[in-house]
Amino acid sequence: SQQGEEDPQALSIQEGENATMNCSYKTSINNLQWYRQNSGRGLVHLILIRSNEREKHSGRLRVTLDTSKKSSSLLITASRAADTASYFCATARGGPPDMRFGAGTRLTVKP
Amino acid sequence: DVKVTQSSRYLVKRTGEKVFLECVQDMDHENMFWYRQDPGLGLRLIYFSYDVKMKEKGDIPEGYSVSREKKERFSLILESASTNQTSMYLCASSRGQADTQYFGPGTRLTVL
Repeated sequence: SQQGEEDPQALSIQEGENATMNCSYKTSINNLQWYRQNSGRGLVHLILIRSNEREKHSGRLRVTLDTSKKSSSLLITASRAADTASYFCATARGGPPDMRFGAGTRLTVKP
Repeated sequence: DVKVTQSSRYLVKRTGEKVFLECVQDMDHENMFWYRQDPGLGLRLIYFSYDVKMKEKGDIPEGYSVSREKKERFSLILESASTNQTSMYLCASSRGQADTQYFGPGTRLTVL
């Protein structure tokens, strides 16, 4: 069953703008992770935020987690054309089977 | 540098054929996973394994089986391929079950 659901399904912005993607989930979690996938390739891990954390930064990435609303957001600041990819959130509950991925947000950054 | 490799990037098979997809990781990870990815459906878990010779069904195991004879290798088997198994197959590994997963490049399988 799919746990995380990303919103929007697709996002198109100009280079230099910020991109915000949201993820909602249904059950309690141990952590939430964001992944990136370039077209036709495997997924690459971006950032992990634990259920007791509210915000985390990594370079141009900022992730927030609101466990009361069961939602997370991924912000990419000063986007670049190379950020064009699909972004997935995945939730982990800490027990097998684990890690559920959403359908992803397709981000297009125009040069 | 962590690495997960998959035996083929592209594969074309005929209906009814037995298909083997191989995945190898070099990180000494306990856990390995097989997903399929279809447009609009995201990644769906087929099977996972948390130890050698151990396997657990995921959300969509029907029509698939797996084998894990060695820690580093996790194979996905399509006993009799069907056209609805045309998809992108992704293998991943992780140290703990809730930890970061490291993905292979994927195998795009077409069943004619």
